[in-house]
Amino acid sequence: DIQMTQSPASLSASLEEIVTITCQASQDIGNWLAWYQQKPGKSPQLLIYDATSLADGVPSRFSGSRSGTQYSLKISRLQVEDIGSYYCQQAHSNPNTFGAGTKLELK
Amino acid sequence: EVQLVESGGVLVQPGRSMKLSCAASGFTFSSFPMAWVRQAPTKGLEWVATISTSGGSTYYRDSVKGRFTISRDNAKSTLYLQMDSLRSEDTATYYCTTGPHYWYFDFWGPGTMVTVSS
Repeated sequence: DIQMTQSPASLSASLEEIVTITCQASQDIGNWLAWYQQKPGKSPQLLIYDATSLADGVPSRFSGSRSGTQYSLKISRLQVEDIGSYYCQQAHSNPNTFGAGTKLELK
Repeated sequence: EVQLVESGGVLVQPGRSMKLSCAASGFTFSSFPMAWVRQAPTKGLEWVATISTSGGSTYYRDSVKGRFTISRDNAKSTLYLQMDSLRSEDTATYYCTTGPHYWYFDFWGPGTMVTVSS
């Protein structure tokens, strides 16, 4: 199985701050990567797919990038509604696997 | 608006069976693949199974292969997950998901909780 190593496990940031979360794939997955946001007590929501494509309705302050087998999710100006957990997912091969998650809190 | 509503989650003893359902609306059900993703209490997300638009192709993670069966009824716009030989490690919230991307999960239901315990 492809392992997705996500970091950091938790993150505390201030409003309007730039936040970056990364995922390292254990092997080449091309652009087959998605990012999800899960607010407390809610279902996950797709943010980014194909490593860099913004899902419908997602604010433009969210963006995704790739460098080799390292993938990043960037929130350009943190808002209070961005608080929650974030997960990466590789969709290159089955079983498709998720990172362990990053819990984002307000400082 | 896409709506997915899961049902069927309960407390069940190890070794027993359970069937989850997911009622879909707001889109052409037969046009999208469907999947189940689960989340154990305080843990991360784990893909369980995916089914093609016609139901002719199914995919499972190894830990549920041979115990779980994903199926769909396109006439009823409903997705199912038959879970047999349940284990304590199957305890989780089970989410029904779908979307135009085969292996990404665009839309999610609120989830249904399955607890496997004696």
